[in-house]
Amino acid sequence: DVKVTQSSRYLVKRTGEKVFLECVQDMDHENMFWYRQDPGLGLRLIYFSYDVKMKEKGDIPEGYSVSREKKERFSLILESASTNQTSMYLCASSLAPPVGELFFGEGSRLTVL
Amino acid sequence: AQSVTQLGSHVSVSEGALVLLRCNYSSSVPPYLFWYVQYPNQGLQLLLKYTSAATLVKGINGFEAEFKKSETSFHLTKPSAHMSDAAEYFCAVRTHGNNRLAFGKGNQVVVIP
Repeated sequence: DVKVTQSSRYLVKRTGEKVFLECVQDMDHENMFWYRQDPGLGLRLIYFSYDVKMKEKGDIPEGYSVSREKKERFSLILESASTNQTSMYLCASSLAPPVGELFFGEGSRLTVL
Repeated sequence: AQSVTQLGSHVSVSEGALVLLRCNYSSSVPPYLFWYVQYPNQGLQLLLKYTSAATLVKGINGFEAEFKKSETSFHLTKPSAHMSDAAEYFCAVRTHGNNRLAFGKGNQVVVIP
């Protein structure tokens, strides 16, 4: 079974702190994704990566950056956390198209005070 | 462009009754379609997917969905709701060659005893 592991299930940070969210997948998938999930807004794509060191902006990249130095690992970075980044963050991976369904981690719930 | 519409953010269903969740998509080319389920405090799990084979797709936990090209729909059904079906359900679409999935805003299903 594909396993996508997010390093932290719950985090509490202060405004202005730098935050790292780590995600590791064990199935050699080319694509990796970071979403945030907020009530009433569904899932919104922050960034995705289709290869090592490659990244593309999603729908809401402002205030975030990503890093993919190894194929299995995709990190989301909040350079200076703000209260409006309080959210559930979901990492996912997939094989390349054509079908390429996503496999999700369990999520990281971030609270910024 | 690809997009997904799920109407009714909250859906209440009596235990033993039919579960029907509607999904309509917008896509200029034949799509790949997915339904995901999210249980509280967990990531998303694939329920079923349509990949241009049979139009009636069976998934896990007794769910199925039917692809209707003329109606651009992919509605999810289960004949008899169980208490364990209480969760949030997301419809998603991907077009051929596209790395990204577009998600609907989700349906929160409440099962009434």
